[in-house]
Amino acid sequence: QVQLQESGPGLVKPSETLSLTCAVSGYSISSDYYWGWIRQPPGKGLEWIGTIHQSGSTYYNPSLKSRVTISVAKSKNQFFLNLISVTAADTAVYYCARVSGDYKFDPWGQGTLVTVSS
Amino acid sequence: QPVLTQPPSASASLGASVTLTCTLSSDYSHYKVDWYQQRPGKGPRFVMRVGTGGIVGSTGDGIPDRFSVLGSGLNRYLTIKNIQEEDESDYHCGAEHGSGSSFVKVFGGGTKLTVL
Repeated sequence: QVQLQESGPGLVKPSETLSLTCAVSGYSISSDYYWGWIRQPPGKGLEWIGTIHQSGSTYYNPSLKSRVTISVAKSKNQFFLNLISVTAADTAVYYCARVSGDYKFDPWGQGTLVTVSS
Repeated sequence: QPVLTQPPSASASLGASVTLTCTLSSDYSHYKVDWYQQRPGKGPRFVMRVGTGGIVGSTGDGIPDRFSVLGSGLNRYLTIKNIQEEDESDYHCGAEHGSGSSFVKVFGGGTKLTVL
């Protein structure tokens, strides 16, 4: 059974970098799937951040592209999110998910709340 | 890219049926939409994908057969029959646009379903 678990600091200062890890268990990240990050600001809907293939190919939301980097560590069966120059608008619950070739997001992690505040 | 619109809330009595709607912006009537269920405090889970011809592919793991989908024009519907307390959740719809380096995944604002 595939499981994903997000981890990282719950509090980040404005202008600094948000860094999160998604640990995958029960499935090899090197298999032919994509892996994605999605966020949900408090009281709002879901926003796709970006997706990475095990080959290293990346696809980013144009609205975040200038600040986002997603990478993968096959040896650790993990993938990562870096978001630079954060502001209060980046406060959200961040989710990671496995993404099929037809762009179905399943399963998802339980999410981690990141607050941007000084 | 498409815009997906969902009513912010819906309610239904225990044992009744409810239909949730996701409306695509004009010019995108041929798009498929994914439905996701998000129980309180949990991550979303895939329910099923729907196009104008109905369900596309298979239902998500553990989704009961009380859930069904339909598509018509710009609307994509999720119907839940014999509603149970466990169905009280936020329901999100999502769609992908483009391909390759121009791929984008967009979501609606979500509908909060309350079971009375």
